[in-house]
Amino acid sequence: KAGVTQTPRYLIKTRGQQVTLSCSPISGHRSVSWYQQTPGQGLQFLFEYFSETQRNKGNFPGRFSGRQFSNSRSEMNVSTLELGDSALYLCASSADRGGDTEAFFGQGTRLTVV
Amino acid sequence: AQSVTQPDIHITVSEGASLELRCNYSYGATPYLFWYVQSPGQGLQLLLKYFSGDTLVQGIKGFEAEFKRSQSSFNLRKPSVHWSDAAEYFCAVRPGGSYIPTFGRGTSLIVHP
Repeated sequence: KAGVTQTPRYLIKTRGQQVTLSCSPISGHRSVSWYQQTPGQGLQFLFEYFSETQRNKGNFPGRFSGRQFSNSRSEMNVSTLELGDSALYLCASSADRGGDTEAFFGQGTRLTVV
Repeated sequence: AQSVTQPDIHITVSEGASLELRCNYSYGATPYLFWYVQSPGQGLQLLLKYFSGDTLVQGIKGFEAEFKRSQSSFNLRKPSVHWSDAAEYFCAVRPGGSYIPTFGRGTSLIVHP
């Protein structure tokens, strides 16, 4: 079974631009979560999607948004990029929500804002 | 406030030595507990998890962890470390009523030959 796939793996953008990252979950998984990882802040939760609906959102500005499609694939978008948005963005998929469900992570997208 | 603490930012061990990485949490009830490993430039891989039952859980790559309710701890152990174990290790905690895990800040493991 294929794992969680994130594209692209690496991205360089300029301040003020916007970016879209993609995540394809494990087949059959319906929950997708996104995290931002930086050396200073560690792993911070961005949002969680289940059945095309955002179920939870972390403490990030409105420039960060996402969506989930009917095939459970998810995208996240960051508008008006700032230097501080440089990070590794990780996507995790789960078969279901809560309970004894475990999350499987993709390899991440490394975003560099210059 | 709910929190997850990994007290050691870095740990250095010699190859073949035993290893224990600490994780403490602050939650009202017994949460779901996880340990993940992250190699440089990679995503997180699940090593093991605790949901209920036997408090000593076995994971992949020879790792085990013990849940101690009285100490609110879930420490990761390995009897003999290999050079390939050098990586970042994250403890994660998800309260029973929550869908979102909270991650510790991570412990970087350095293995000397």
